[in-house]
Amino acid sequence: GENVEQHPSTLSVQEGDSAVIKCTYSDSASNYFPWYKQELGKGPQLIIDIRSNVGEKKDQRIAVTLNKTAKHFSLHITETQPEDSAVYFCAPFSGGGADGLTFGKGTHLIIQP
Amino acid sequence: EADIYQTPRYLVIGTGKKITLECSQTMGHDKMYWYQQDPGMELHLIHYSYGVNSTEKGDLSSESTVSRIRTEHFPLTLESARPSHTSQYLCASSPSREGTKAFFGQGTRLTVV
Repeated sequence: GENVEQHPSTLSVQEGDSAVIKCTYSDSASNYFPWYKQELGKGPQLIIDIRSNVGEKKDQRIAVTLNKTAKHFSLHITETQPEDSAVYFCAPFSGGGADGLTFGKGTHLIIQP
Repeated sequence: EADIYQTPRYLVIGTGKKITLECSQTMGHDKMYWYQQDPGMELHLIHYSYGVNSTEKGDLSSESTVSRIRTEHFPLTLESARPSHTSQYLCASSPSREGTKAFFGQGTRLTVV
């Protein structure tokens, strides 16, 4: 199955600064790379995703970059705001094996006022 | 917003009781998943289904069982609840196309006393 590592486990940044979270995966057949945001008391929600034929995708203040050679992809949040405080999960998908949708261990992002 | 619902949201129950956590989705998704998660922590896949009459065990061993008699419903049952089952249980669904967004319910917070 897919081995997924996410770093850092906790990230604290000043409001207005940028945050970067990295996800490393093991299966070179992975072709779909989403990021989910989980707010307190809620289920995770997709915030951005990218496919293997694209290197970067941006949606307002958030972006995802993909390095297929190195097998990692990253979530970038610029001009961070208090509502960005949450737990973020990556879930690279290869479609093979158990097909059980494996998530990284999560990153607690804390935005300091 | 996602049309996937979990009931109850919160449940406090005594040791030894049988419980069923309900999960329903109205999006016609073939794939459904159950995750166990301690607050703010890693998502552990415990069960998933490819469609009606299909159920598979996930990465984390669980004493719970699931059934998929109808596309819309994916209930999870614990025959005899124990304090070690205290956790949050999240249900998710996704279309059968590979590499697509997963939708999560709000979760059920289970406490076994």
